[in-house]
Amino acid sequence: EAQVTQNPRYLITVTGKKLTVTCSQNMNHEYMSWYRQDPGLGLRQIYYSMNVEVTDKGDVPEGYKVSRKEKRNFPLILESPSPNQTSLYFCASHPDRVNYEQYFGPGTRLTVT
Amino acid sequence: RKEVEQDPGPFNVPEGATVAFNCTYSNSASQSFFWYRQDCRKEPKLLMSVYSSGNEDGRFTAQLNRASQYISLLIRDSKLSDSATYLCVVNNRDSNYQLIWGAGTKLIIKP
Repeated sequence: EAQVTQNPRYLITVTGKKLTVTCSQNMNHEYMSWYRQDPGLGLRQIYYSMNVEVTDKGDVPEGYKVSRKEKRNFPLILESPSPNQTSLYFCASHPDRVNYEQYFGPGTRLTVT
Repeated sequence: RKEVEQDPGPFNVPEGATVAFNCTYSNSASQSFFWYRQDCRKEPKLLMSVYSSGNEDGRFTAQLNRASQYISLLIRDSKLSDSATYLCVVNNRDSNYQLIWGAGTKLIIKP
């Protein structure tokens, strides 16, 4: 089954404790993105990747890191989480530059206290 | 002004009715347009792309008005299962084809 998986689905953590949210897709898509969704603001792109070892900042990259060492995986790293990073996070992939249909993971609900 | 704006709603509509909502975008360089559907606390899923000539998929019709810079979504004969948040998405050639998401319009279909 074609899918994007994210782990964990729910996470409660404390300020400053490093965490990683994993994302994996099995569709051989070139493009992958991380979004955060907050009430009233819509989805905002954090980082995206156009292929292995190629990443770029989205609209709200501060406080986040990513890596793309393999085509299927695109982890999101919060080196020192803060309460303003409490949000719903989605990983997404799409095939290429022309085909924009986004395939989303199920989301990760993160709470930073 | 937000790049992509939507009326947040909620739109409360009786089952069987027709409902329409719009989405405005600010960048005239926008090239591709989409409607996504998002159920509560779930991931967004593509509902339909919006083509210049307009397009229809069953009970759903999407229209693009480039002159006034808005896209619309019409739902006919609404079903209870249509209750969701509808997200408008636009991509801009100027911003490296990045997708810009509206905050969504919440639709509630009542029996």
